[in-house]
Amino acid sequence: SQQGEEDPQALSIQEGENATMNCSYKTSINNLQWYRQNSGRGLVHLILIRSNEREKHSGRLRVTLDTSKKSSSLLITASRAADTASYFCATNTGNQFYFGTGTSLTVIP
Amino acid sequence: DAGVIQSPRHEVTEMGQEVTLRCKPISGHNSLFWYRQTMMRGLELLIYFNNNVPIDDSGMPEDRFSAKMPNASFSTLKIQPSEPRDSAVYFCASSLSGTGNQPQHFGDGTRLSIL
Repeated sequence: SQQGEEDPQALSIQEGENATMNCSYKTSINNLQWYRQNSGRGLVHLILIRSNEREKHSGRLRVTLDTSKKSSSLLITASRAADTASYFCATNTGNQFYFGTGTSLTVIP
Repeated sequence: DAGVIQSPRHEVTEMGQEVTLRCKPISGHNSLFWYRQTMMRGLELLIYFNNNVPIDDSGMPEDRFSAKMPNASFSTLKIQPSEPRDSAVYFCASSLSGTGNQPQHFGDGTRLSIL
């Protein structure tokens, strides 16, 4: 399966700390996206990084992509309680879209 | 702006019944996606449409599942007959294009329970 796998499956940190989650995938991709899902809600797009990009920033989010290692990381800096959610990576290869298994992040106030 | 609208939000029905899930994509979006989310299998792409035409339905689990998009503002996912293993949260998403270079916008899902 091309499905991405996030690591760790669950992460618990104190408010103000940084959170890092990783995504690994199996085949070449066109781009990789990160999404957030709050409990009982749909996924919300956070950031898209193309295969020819290595790093991208959006507010407190920093995403890196290493196509040689087929991996990506999402860093959330200065975490807040409102960041508590599940985070998914999604890979795109032509007509196929695959979501990873997700990292459940808990930010403790 | 109105996001992707799904209905119903919750559906409980007995096995063997027909279930119809509905989705209204964001106006102007040309691609529509149906996903299923379960604890065991995560988020799975069932089918997606470009300009109302089904492009890839390889994720549809079996013939009991069918999806239609009669116009740019409406899509349905139908299960007939339903089975307990179909219990899941079903999401609809839309994007400006289906090339994968655009973010997908998700509805809040339909939580389906088949008894």
